[in-house]
Amino acid sequence: AQKVTQAQTEISVVEKEDVTLDCVYETRDTTYYLFWYKQPPSGELVFLIRRNSFDEQNEISGRYSWNFQKSTSSFNFTITASQVVDSAVYFCAGGYQKVTFGTGTKLQVIP
Amino acid sequence: GAVVSQHPSRVICKSGTSVKIECRSLDFQATTMFWYRQFPKQSLMLMATSNEGSKATYEQGVEKDKFLINHASLTLSTLTVTSAHPEDSSFYICSARGRGLAEETQYFGPGTRLLVL
Repeated sequence: AQKVTQAQTEISVVEKEDVTLDCVYETRDTTYYLFWYKQPPSGELVFLIRRNSFDEQNEISGRYSWNFQKSTSSFNFTITASQVVDSAVYFCAGGYQKVTFGTGTKLQVIP
Repeated sequence: GAVVSQHPSRVICKSGTSVKIECRSLDFQATTMFWYRQFPKQSLMLMATSNEGSKATYEQGVEKDKFLINHASLTLSTLTVTSAHPEDSSFYICSARGRGLAEETQYFGPGTRLLVL
């Protein structure tokens, strides 16, 4: 069984602040994938990133960066210089054949 | 990237009727499709996994006779909510995984909002 924990239910930041969303993925599997998805108010799920369990390199894409540390089972997501358009619910997910989602973190960026 | 569509985007129906939701992979062959349900302000819960040409595998607690899943082709899966009741009102999202571009990654459809009156 796998478990995805997003301890932060809601976060509010002022525009231009940096914000980190936490995710802990627990599994006995050695091979798995980790994902982050964004769900804006419209409801559509937007794919942000996929990492495999063997790749612990940090990744940066524009204002987004991800830090995967297998030793602590964490896959954290940082938004630099947040913008109002970043306001959404962010889901962390993990798995291989079957993907399990965390409970989501609602991010509100205040102008 | 790979594109997955869902139809309809929203549906309102009367209690007791059946509703069919389609999920299509538009530019890749989806060997596996997944159906999720999301209640308001909650996470996505996997309902079932279907592989093309075989019966769907349902998660514990999901009634297979109520939620009929058909994955008859490599680009189409359907979810039929039979004899829908108000408690079935939810956001249903499909995802697809397959060969080529989409391999190893699930691509999600835009979702279908079901409201049962």
